[in-house]
Order: sequence, then structure tokens, then C-alpha cells
Amino acid sequence: DAMVIQNPRYQVTQFGKPVTLSCSQTLNHNVMYWYQQKSSQAPKLLFHYYDKDFNNEADTPDNFQSRRPNTSFCFLDIRSPGLGDAAMYLCATSRDGSEQFGQGTRLTVV
Amino acid sequence: AQSVTQLDSQVPVFEEAPVELRCNYSSSVSVYLFWYVQYPNQGLQLLLKYLSGSTLVKGINGFEAEFNKSQTSFHLRKPSVHISDTAEYFCAVVGGGNKLTFGTGTQLKVEL
Repeated sequence: DAMVIQNPRYQVTQFGKPVTLSCSQTLNHNVMYWYQQKSSQAPKLLFHYYDKDFNNEADTPDNFQSRRPNTSFCFLDIRSPGLGDAAMYLCATSRDGSEQFGQGTRLTVV
Repeated sequence: AQSVTQLDSQVPVFEEAPVELRCNYSSSVSVYLFWYVQYPNQGLQLLLKYLSGSTLVKGINGFEAEFNKSQTSFHLRKPSVHISDTAEYFCAVVGGGNKLTFGTGTQLKVEL
């Protein structure tokens, strides 16, 4: 089935050690999003791509970067994870304003 | 800019009882409206959406929602809930641009 796939589902990283989360889609959607969701909170948009155009939210820390090498893949790079970056990271895609989410990657920072 | 308000952070309900989860929005432009469900340690799953047309929208798992433009509301309802409906429910809106704006979520807890 066409879907949004996030790998891995669970990621443990050391404080300050760069980590990359990946997202792939088979929906051929032109928009891809990365959200951060902390416990008991709504998802918070970090950035999104409209095709190759990158759109960063004003309050997204510089520690968070993203790459979209092609339509199907999008990566979230956290350059120096801190304890406060532990969260669920959600990838989503859309074409008509209706977003399809992946299962998320739960990041633990130790 | 648009915003979404979910007034109830938690809604406890007994199994087989009806439930309504409230959502109000504000926007200066026409909007698309969505309800998502999130089970523990999972991503968000789309329950239903309103893009245009009939104001009563039916979704998966027996849920429905009604778009009320005059009251700027999009409340989610189910006539008879099941234990498996226990989850977090998020209302969301897309206005200008391609970005979803989420409400703070409502935790639905179904009890025996």
C-alpha cells in the first residue's frame, strides 16, 4: 500500500551526537513535513518542503536541518541533540491539504 | 493566520455512550478542517476531513463531524464509543498556505 514510512521507529542517541531520521513516501506527494511532538502536546511544525522549496518555521532551532534529495525521501538531521530534543518526530506528506502521517520516530537522548 | 481551540483536554465516557469532542477555529480565509486520532506511540491517523460540499462529514470507525461556518466549529461525534476508541484526538485546520495548525488535543478515555 502507498504510505509514509519512517525509520527507525525508535532511536536512541547520545547527547551531542548527530542523528538523522528518515522518511520515505510512495504517494508521490509534492509536500513533505517534519513535526516534533513532545509528550501530551500537539505536533509542532519544524519545516516543510513544497517540491524542492524549503520552508523553515521561524522558531525552529538551527540545530535542526533537513534534506530532500528527491520526491520520495526526506531527512531530519539533528546536529547536536540535547536532552530537550527527546520527542516523537513525525513526517507527513500532502498534495491537496490532506496530510498523511508516518508512524513516527521516538527519539531518546541519553 | 488561523488557530484551533479544543476546549476539553480530557473527556471520560462510558462504553456504548455517545461522545462529542469540541473544536472551534478562527481564520480569515476559507479553511479545510480535519480530525486526526493518535494511539500511544503511533503517528496520526486521519479520521475525517472537510474540504467543501456537505457540512456533515463521515469518517472511519463510525465517527462524524459537522462543519458549522456561523459558529466556526467542527465538532466530532460518535453515537456509541468502544474501549478501542481510547486515544488522543486532534482537530486541525489548513488555511492559506500548506500548513496544518493543530489544536492542543483531547484525550478520550472510554471506561467500562
